[in-house]
Amino acid sequence: GAVVSQHPSWVICKSGTSVKIECRSLDFQATTMFWYRQFPKQSLMLMATSNEGSKATYEQGVEKDKFLINHASLTLSTLTVTSAHPEDSSFYICSARATDSRDRVSDTQYFGPGTRLTVL
Amino acid sequence: GQNIDQPTEMTATEGAIVQINCTYQTSGFNGLFWYQQHAGEAPTFLSYNVLDGLEEKGRFSSFLSRSKGYSYLLLKELQMKDSASYLCAVLDSNYQLIWGAGTKLIIKP
Repeated sequence: GAVVSQHPSWVICKSGTSVKIECRSLDFQATTMFWYRQFPKQSLMLMATSNEGSKATYEQGVEKDKFLINHASLTLSTLTVTSAHPEDSSFYICSARATDSRDRVSDTQYFGPGTRLTVL
Repeated sequence: GQNIDQPTEMTATEGAIVQINCTYQTSGFNGLFWYQQHAGEAPTFLSYNVLDGLEEKGRFSSFLSRSKGYSYLLLKELQMKDSASYLCAVLDSNYQLIWGAGTKLIIKP
C-alpha cells in the first residue's frame, strides 16, 4: 500500500496563533512531499514542494515566512501556518511521492486525508 | 504555458458508462494520472498511464494518446458512490505534477 497520514484532521484556532500540520508516509519513504491548499469548490493549489534534508520550494505567491515547511526525515514533513488569519482558513492536503516500485506506482503522489483549518 | 483541459461537470445515470476527457499541453511528459476526489476529502489515486493505450482496472479504465495529448477515464456500471470530482494531472519534464481543474461527475438514479 501507500498510506499517508495527516494530523490533525481539523483545527480551529484564534487569529494570530500558529498551527502545525504533520504529514507522514506510513509504509514507504518519501524524499519529496507536497503541500496543497484547496478552497471550497476550487482546484488543488500547490503551495510548496518539500525535499528531505533541504529547503522547500515555494510556488509563486506563497509566503515562505508564513508557511514554514520542514522535512526532517524521509517519512515526515510539517507545515506551520504562522500568525494565522481568517483568510488562511482552508483545506490543507499533503502528498508524498513514491519513488520505489514495489506495490506502488513510482512517481505517483499519494495524498493524506487533509486538514481542515478554521481561523476565527 | 502548461495547460490541462477537462470538462467542468458531467451528468450520467446509475448503471451507465461515462467517459471523462482530458487534453494537455505541457513541457515534456512523464506520465498522466487520474485521481478521484469526493467532496470534503483528499484525492485518491486511480490510474497512471505513461505509454499509449488502454489500462483497465475493474470498472475504471484510462486511455492515453501521447501524440494527441489526450487521455480519457472510462467509468462503467456507474454507482452512486462514483459521484465525485475526477482530476487529470500530468507529470512534466521536471517531474512536476500539473493539475487539471477537475470534472465534477453527478450520478442520477
